[in-house]
This record gives sequence, structure tokens and C-alpha cells, in this order.
Amino acid sequence: GESVGLHLPTLSVQEGDNSIINCAYSNSASDYFIWYKQESGKGPQFIIDIRSNMDKRQGQRVTVLLNKTVKHLSLQIAATQPGDSAVYFCAEIIGGTSYGKLTFGQGTILTVHP
Amino acid sequence: DTEVTQTPKHLVMGMTNKKSLKCEQHMGHRAMYWYKQKAKKPPELMFVYSYEKLSINESVPSRFSPECPNSSLLNLHLHALQPEDSALYLCASSRNTGGGTEAFFGQGTRLTVV
Repeated sequence: GESVGLHLPTLSVQEGDNSIINCAYSNSASDYFIWYKQESGKGPQFIIDIRSNMDKRQGQRVTVLLNKTVKHLSLQIAATQPGDSAVYFCAEIIGGTSYGKLTFGQGTILTVHP
Repeated sequence: DTEVTQTPKHLVMGMTNKKSLKCEQHMGHRAMYWYKQKAKKPPELMFVYSYEKLSINESVPSRFSPECPNSSLLNLHLHALQPEDSALYLCASSRNTGGGTEAFFGQGTRLTVV
């Protein structure tokens, strides 16, 4: 059955603030990482990706940082808007480029207050 | 067209029923995936098809039977399901199964087993 008391991490911010969402991964063989946004009742939506040979990548209002030493990934959202409210998942490709095993982390609920 | 289309959006079925979930993409992607997502949990990989062949089965019970009739279509046949199989079933596709290729997700089928 379901785990009792297991809750997703949450982050509440004010509109206009910058948000930082963190993710830890455990497999040092992971070589590709993606951040997804999932709104209620919808499928995950691609935000930004990064390969393991990079430590930073920027998109529109978003930046992903990768620290392979401590196996840590973060997503920074600049000037957060109410429309950014969603669950954010990091995902990794495990097993090298010959596999399609995209595995998701636990997720973080982001709530943006107007 | 960057859409993955899933039908139906909602499905209620009894434990003795047989039903099928359908997924379609016209992006020329050669990798297609089925994920299962329970409430407040990340998507969990079930199956991966690469070039219409099943490449990964994550030890999914045989009451779930995937089928890939052609490169654009992916089905999930359901038979003798249990109430705990109630979940959001997500289909995704990517150019191939290699790292560095983002997966596009459909909106999912909300399945309820009664």
C-alpha cells in the first residue's frame, strides 16, 4: 500500500522572487539529466536538460546546475510567476547512452503566491 | 507537431474487464515508453520500445501487456487488473533511447479499477 506520511518537498515563493529547486541523484553512471514540470492533470513537460560533461546550462528564465562531485542537480527559476506553480521532477538517464531508462526523482511542489 | 496523444483520457474498468490504452505520436520518434504514476509520486517506468521492439520491461505484471503495432503507435492492453493498479498512465516518446534526447509526454490516461 501507499507509504503513510510520505510527502513531496514543497517550496513556496512570492511572485517575482527567484526559486531554486534541488535534486540529489545516486548513480555516478548517469550521463544525462532533465528537469520536467508537471501541472495538475497533465503529463510532465520538458523544461531543460544537461549532459554530464557540463556543469551549467541556461534557458529562458531557467538555469540548471550540475555538481557531479556531490551528485547534485538544481533548477533555478528567475522572476517566478504564478504560472510556474507545479510539481518539478528531475530525471536521469541511467545505464549510458544505450538505454532508455529515464528515471524520475521524487519531485518538489512549487507554489508561487501573487 | 510535438504532441503525444493518449486515449482515453479517463477509464473506469472492473477487475474482470479487458481494455486498452492507446498512444500516438507523429514526430518520427523511434523510442516509446509507458510510465505509471500514483498520486504524489514520480512516474515509474514500465516498458520501453525501441524501433518497435520491446527493449525494457521493468518487471511489470503480465496483466499489463504492451504492443507496438508500428513506429507511431503504442498500446497497453489491460486484463484482470486490481484496484491498486488505479493510477495515471503516461506515454512518452523520444527520438531514440540514447542520452541527450528529451522525452515528450502525453497527458496521460487516468485509470480507475473498481
